[in-house]
Formats: sequence, structure tokens, C-alpha cells
Amino acid sequence: QVQLLQSGSELKEPGASVKVSCKTSGYTFTTYGMSWVRQAPGQGLEWMGWINTNTGNPTLAQGFAGRFVFSLDTSVSTAYVQISSLKAEDTAIYYCARLFCSGTNCWFDFWGQGTMVIVSS
Amino acid sequence: QSVLTQPPSVSAAPGQKVTISCSGGSSNIGNNYVSWYQQFPGTAPKLLIYENNKRPSGIPDRFSGSKSGTSATLGITGLQTGDEADYYCGTWDSGLSAGFFGGGTRLTVL
Repeated sequence: QVQLLQSGSELKEPGASVKVSCKTSGYTFTTYGMSWVRQAPGQGLEWMGWINTNTGNPTLAQGFAGRFVFSLDTSVSTAYVQISSLKAEDTAIYYCARLFCSGTNCWFDFWGQGTMVIVSS
Repeated sequence: QSVLTQPPSVSAAPGQKVTISCSGGSSNIGNNYVSWYQQFPGTAPKLLIYENNKRPSGIPDRFSGSKSGTSATLGITGLQTGDEADYYCGTWDSGLSAGFFGGGTRLTVL
């Protein structure tokens, strides 16, 4: 069965960096893209972008360019998001979500359990 | 501010039907399919509807989706207290290769 298992919660100081992992199983990793979604406390879902797991080419949503980097390790079927120069407003739950595409239409069919990142001094 | 607009909350009694709307524009919903996600407090979202009206395996037929023009609707019949959750609409802009979510709707089953 398809599973996306994310790394554990993180507590970081402002200005630090964090790397969240999303280890997949139950399917061929490079067949589907991987998206990242942010959910700030008490807020809705915010699409951060996606990475083509075949080419490694990332597409970041507006507002996420610069400090957010998507990467892959296809040898272990794992996707990562690294956030640098952390700010208090980066405090959120970060979800990975498999991107299923049929032609040009896509949706998020399987989700990781989420990783809480808290930025606080 | 979300590109897709949903009502912040809806409510209905057990056994009744409720609909949740998702309004967008010609550049998003108008030219793309809509998906819906269910999220219980403290858990990850779950795919409920894709391609406007299709249900993944395991999703009961009490849940339905429709789309007309630049709006979409999620319908839930035979409401149960276990349906209390946040519901999000989403769409994929193939031209931008970008995803968008609505602001979410909190369903209360009174």
C-alpha cells in the first residue's frame, strides 16, 4: 500500500535551517510528482510547489522562492524540503502529498502525516 | 487570501444533506478539474473527490462532487457526526503547473 512517512517535529531558532523528509513506499517513486503543502496553526492549506521526481525539476509557488528548496534521493524514494533563514511565520505543519496526474489534470491522492516545524527563540 | 472561495462554515443535522461551494474564476476552476479533501483535526488531509465528481476507492457514495462554470460543489448526504471535519476544494492549473486550495469549510453536524 502507498505510504508517505515524514520526519518528526522540529523546534528551531529564528535564522536556522530545517530539512523535512518524506519517505515513500508502495509505489514506484519516479512515476509521480511530489508536492509540499503548508498549514499554519489554525489556518488552511497552502500549496508550496512540487518537484518532478523524474527530472528533479522543482516548481515553487509564489512566496516560496528563495528560502525553500525541494530535493530528492531517488535511491531511497525520499523527497525533502529544506527551509533556510527560518522565521516565526514559518511555524506550521508541512505535508508532502503525492501528485497524481491524468493528462494535464492533477490532484493530491496520498498524503504524509505531516511534520510540525516550530520556529521560536 | 485563497484563489478559491469557500464558506468558512456550514452546519446541518444528522441524516440531512449539506453542500459546500467552491468559487473560482475562468483561469482556475473554469478551465480545470476540481478535487476535494477532508481533514479531521490533528490529521492529514485525505482525498475525497477528484476530477470534479469521481470518488477514490473506499469513499462512500454519500459524498459527491459537481462543477458548473467557475464553481464547484461538494455534497454530503445522510450526514453523520463522524463527518465533522474541514473540507477543502482544490484545483490544478495545467498552464502554470501549480496547485490551488480553497480556504476551507468547517462542517458541523448539529
